[in-house]
Amino acid sequence: NAGVTQTPKFRILKIGQSMTLQCAQDMNHNYMYWYRQDPGMGLKLIYYSVGAGITDKGEVPNGYNVSRSTTEDFPLRLELAAPSQTSVYFCASSYSGTTTNTGELFFGEGSRLTVL
Amino acid sequence: AQTVTQSQPEMSVQEAETVTLSCTYDTSESNYYLFWYKQPPSRQMILVIRQEAYKQQNATENRFSVNFQKAAKSFSLKISDSQLGDTAMYFCAFMKAFGNEKLTFGTGTRLTIIP
Repeated sequence: NAGVTQTPKFRILKIGQSMTLQCAQDMNHNYMYWYRQDPGMGLKLIYYSVGAGITDKGEVPNGYNVSRSTTEDFPLRLELAAPSQTSVYFCASSYSGTTTNTGELFFGEGSRLTVL
Repeated sequence: AQTVTQSQPEMSVQEAETVTLSCTYDTSESNYYLFWYKQPPSRQMILVIRQEAYKQQNATENRFSVNFQKAAKSFSLKISDSQLGDTAMYFCAFMKAFGNEKLTFGTGTRLTIIP
């Protein structure tokens, strides 16, 4: 049972570099999310998707982009990395249907990103 | 917009004792879900317990139970017979029942179980 898989687990970037955090889920979930977690803070929603081809901004979308070309994959792109983007990033997924809706999110193990 | 407040940044308790983590929230919604998530040192977030706002009965999952006070907008987590494996960050979270399926998290409580 893979669940939600994130790569890489750790990454160090220089200011101005770009990178993509990969996220894949094998549970056929329609919803997918990207959160960031800063020390002493709760998780903040960056972007989310309700299905393939549909994405929307969360609370803190600036400096990030996403795409959802398939149900399984939801990559997060960082353009022109800044020190403020140093954080732990979590991908999550959930299923919401007309008759099934638990509201439960399934999380990946996280990706620790440092921008120097 | 919804807000979730956890006023206890850190707590510690002796193994086998009972501990209660506090959470309050603010919303104008009438239908919603509340959750407690656990984040062990390995970092993967897992669901501990879930409560539907329309249910008056408090949710329980083995040693974990909640005290849901809808009028007071309070949602505390009680851990009975605490075990070393309960050491983790605990996050309270809110989700509207219909619509965008987005979780709003509190800032977390770091719980340490002392042997």
